[in-house]
Amino acid sequence: NAGVTQTPKFQVLKTGQSMTLQCAQDMNHNSMYWYRQDPGMGLRLIYYSASEGTTDKGEVPNGYNVSRLNKREFSLRLESAAPSQTSVYFCASRGQGAGNQPQHFGDGTRLSIL
Amino acid sequence: GEDVEQSLFLSVREGDSSVINCTYTDSSSTYLYWYKQEPGAGLQLLTYIFSNMDMKQDQRLTVLLNKKDKHLSLRIADTQTGDSAIYFCAESPEAGTASKLTFGTGTRLQVTL
Repeated sequence: NAGVTQTPKFQVLKTGQSMTLQCAQDMNHNSMYWYRQDPGMGLRLIYYSASEGTTDKGEVPNGYNVSRLNKREFSLRLESAAPSQTSVYFCASRGQGAGNQPQHFGDGTRLSIL
Repeated sequence: GEDVEQSLFLSVREGDSSVINCTYTDSSSTYLYWYKQEPGAGLQLLTYIFSNMDMKQDQRLTVLLNKKDKHLSLRIADTQTGDSAIYFCAESPEAGTASKLTFGTGTRLQVTL
């Protein structure tokens, strides 16, 4: 029962480096999401993909890009990392259907930018 | 935009009841969720309530919704040390395929012996 798998679990980058965070789900879900979690601020939506082939900006998209590679995979890219992007990043997925279909979360990627 | 607020911290003794509160601003909220996050882990869905309901009970968990005051609460009966975690309230204003969630800041529940 893998569910939502994120890699890597931890990463340290220097300012200006680039990095791609990987996310894959094995539940045949249509929608996928990327969030960042910062102390005292809850989770904020970066980008989401309602279905394969579509992506849309969330609340805090600046400095990030995403790719919905196929139905299973949704990656998040930092082109030029900044210290303000130090955070814990969560990927989630959701099946199609009525609104009570919950979002399922991965265990997160802890990213530090020096 | 939508706003969801929670208190940051709650401490209770083992065996007591815990009540975690949440307020939201979006009157079109359709579904309201409670997620639990244990240290080093992702978010786990605990329960949810549809906006036309006042209460939902699931074993030790009771969710109360006051739609008029836009107030949601989660009561955990007979709180155990394993309940120590961060609890997030979230709301979704739409039942469409994207169904974006707006999260509160999270309430850290500490259970003492």
